[in-house]
Amino acid sequence: QLQLQESGPGLVKPSETLSLTCSVSGGSVGSSGYYWGWIRQPPGKGLEWIASMSYSGITYYNRSLKSRVTISVDTSKNQFSLMLNSVTAADTAVYYCARQQLVLDYWGQGTLVTVSS
Amino acid sequence: DIQMTQSPTSLSASVGDRVTITCRASHHISTYLNWYQQKPGKAPKLLVSGASSLQSGVPSRFSGSGSGTDFTLTISSLQPEDFATYYCQQSYSTFFTFGPGTKVDIK
Repeated sequence: QLQLQESGPGLVKPSETLSLTCSVSGGSVGSSGYYWGWIRQPPGKGLEWIASMSYSGITYYNRSLKSRVTISVDTSKNQFSLMLNSVTAADTAVYYCARQQLVLDYWGQGTLVTVSS
Repeated sequence: DIQMTQSPTSLSASVGDRVTITCRASHHISTYLNWYQQKPGKAPKLLVSGASSLQSGVPSRFSGSGSGTDFTLTISSLQPEDFATYYCQQSYSTFFTFGPGTKVDIK
C-alpha cells in the first residue's frame, strides 16, 4: 500500500523559503506514468493545487505560484520536495503531497505550515 | 485557466436523504472530472474519477454523472459517515483546479 508522509518546519518567517519533503513508501517515485504533486489548504478554506513533477523532470505549476515554486524528485531517497520562496501570511496552510495521474489518488496526511514572525 | 464552481456551498440533510451536489466547469472538460470527500483534519479521499467511475471500496450509494461542463455527485441514502465536505476537481488541464467545496452536515 502506497504511503506518503510530509515533513518540514511548521513555522516559517515572512519573506523566507518554505521547504517540505514528501517521503514515499510502498512504491517508487521513479515509476513511469505517475507524477508527484503538492496541494495546499489554508485554514478553513478550499484546496489549491500547487505543482507536480514526474521522475523524468517534467513539471507543471499553478500559474499564480509558478514564480515562487520549485519542485524536485529524488529517486535515490524515494522522496520529492517543494520549495516556496518569499512567503507571506497568505501562504499559511496545510500542505499535502500526493501521487498524481489524472487523479490525486494517494495523499499524505498533511502538514500545517504557519508563516509568522 | 479552468474555473470550477459548486452548488450548493453547504447543505443540511438527514440520514437516509438523497443528496445531489452540482459542479460546473468554465470550459468543456469532457469527463475529466473527479470527486473527493474530506473530513475534518483529514486528507481528501478520492471517490469518483472520470466523472462516473467509483473508486474501489467506495460505497455504491455514491454515484457521479455528467460530461462537458456540468456534473453531479449523488448520495442515494445519506449515512452518518458521509457528513463531510465534497470537492470536484478537473484534470482536463495540466493545471488542476478544484471547486470551492460543498459541506454536508446534519439537519
